Amino acid sequence: YVLTQPPSVSVAPGKTATITCGGNNIGTQSVHWYQQKPGQAPVLVIYYDGDRPSGIPERFSGSNSGNTATLTITRVEAGDEADYYCQVWDRRSDHYVFGTGTKVTVL
Amino acid sequence: EVQLVESGGGLVQPGGSLRVSCVASGFRFNTYWMHWVRQAPGKGLVWVSRIDSDGSRTTYADSVKGRFSISRDNSKNTLYLQMSTLRAEDTAVYYCVRAAADGSNFPFDYWGQGTLVSVSS
Repeated sequence: YVLTQPPSVSVAPGKTATITCGGNNIGTQSVHWYQQKPGQAPVLVIYYDGDRPSGIPERFSGSNSGNTATLTITRVEAGDEADYYCQVWDRRSDHYVFGTGTKVTVL
Repeated sequence: EVQLVESGGGLVQPGGSLRVSCVASGFRFNTYWMHWVRQAPGKGLVWVSRIDSDGSRTTYADSVKGRFSISRDNSKNTLYLQMSTLRAEDTAVYYCVRAAADGSNFPFDYWGQGTLVSVSS
């Protein structure tokens, strides 16, 4: 199972960043999103398509339908600059799959 | 506070073996499934292996199956990854990761800081 993300997204401060994660019928699966800043371990920012862990700002939201899951970051801040990865559990193989990753650059 | 602290990384020759460890604290280790995820330098995240809470069931990525072995010692709150027949493409930071609950389809809610394994002659 393959999850495809755009390599990079650029956004101005205060604007909205949209990161897509494409996969065959991904809308039937639960998608999780991770943020990874340079030199740091990944952090869970969205789970089960659109839920936020405690401590994650409401500016982070997610959706999932059809062949695309989406992570949306509103009112983008400089501190949001990071790599973002989507992830699913592939029940057919009982393996876990990460997306290719998207580098978000704040202009 | 949940903490996952990896150790045991280092430089190993191709074909060699290495065991990395992860000591967990701040939660009931014996009730959570645990994973290893790796990241090659400058590359993305790749899932490696999973073990259930009592160590009875394990799963591996195809790229490491037959070469890597995941295990745990719940009396020591420690997760292990025994790696053998190492290849250059196994060079990566290896992260110890906790699944949010006891089951397959749960997100990875806590990550260690990782330990670097370098395979080179």
